[in-house]
Amino acid sequence: KAGVTQTPRYLIKTRGQQVTLSCSPISGHRSVSWYQQTPGQGLQFLFEYFSETQRNKGNFPGRFSGRQFSNSRSEMNVSTLELGDSALYLCASSLGQPGTAGNTIYFGEGSWLTVV
Amino acid sequence: GESVGLHLPTLSVQEGDNSIINCAYSNSASDYFIWYKQESGKGPQFIIDIRSNMDKRQGQRVTVLLNKTVKHLSLQIAATQPGDSAVYFCAEKSGGYNKLIFGAGTRLAVHP
Repeated sequence: KAGVTQTPRYLIKTRGQQVTLSCSPISGHRSVSWYQQTPGQGLQFLFEYFSETQRNKGNFPGRFSGRQFSNSRSEMNVSTLELGDSALYLCASSLGQPGTAGNTIYFGEGSWLTVV
Repeated sequence: GESVGLHLPTLSVQEGDNSIINCAYSNSASDYFIWYKQESGKGPQFIIDIRSNMDKRQGQRVTVLLNKTVKHLSLQIAATQPGDSAVYFCAEKSGGYNKLIFGAGTRLAVHP
């Protein structure tokens, strides 16, 4: 069974541009969450989706947004890119509803974003 | 890919020794904990998890211990191998969402 798939794996953008990252969860998983990973801040939660609804949001500015489609695939968008947005963006999926005990969460390989 | 943890604490062990990686978590209400392994250029890989109603759980060559009194989590790796070299993160989850709070990570370096 395929794991969490993220595209693109690597991309370079210019300040002020926007970017869209895509995530396909493990087949059958309906919960998708996004994380940002940087050397300085570590792994930080961005948002979580279940059944096309955002269930939880981290402490990031409104330039960061996301959505989930009916097939559970998810996208996140960052508008007006800043140099500090350079990071590894990770998508994770899990089977059960948010809050289900022992809801194992699996990560994709991430999308490396460099803003120049 | 770039390194995502340039200044992490490092645990150096000899191949074949046992490794113990420690983690202090922040929220006494957290009810679920996960250990992840992250190799350079890759995403976090699930290793083992434990619920808050347990204090020990064993997997293949790995054991997780949970001490809720002092909010401490540890990962024990038996007979450490060069392939175990990576950054290890603990993560906690609480409440009704799948939001994970990650620790800073520990780099494990295995020497032959």
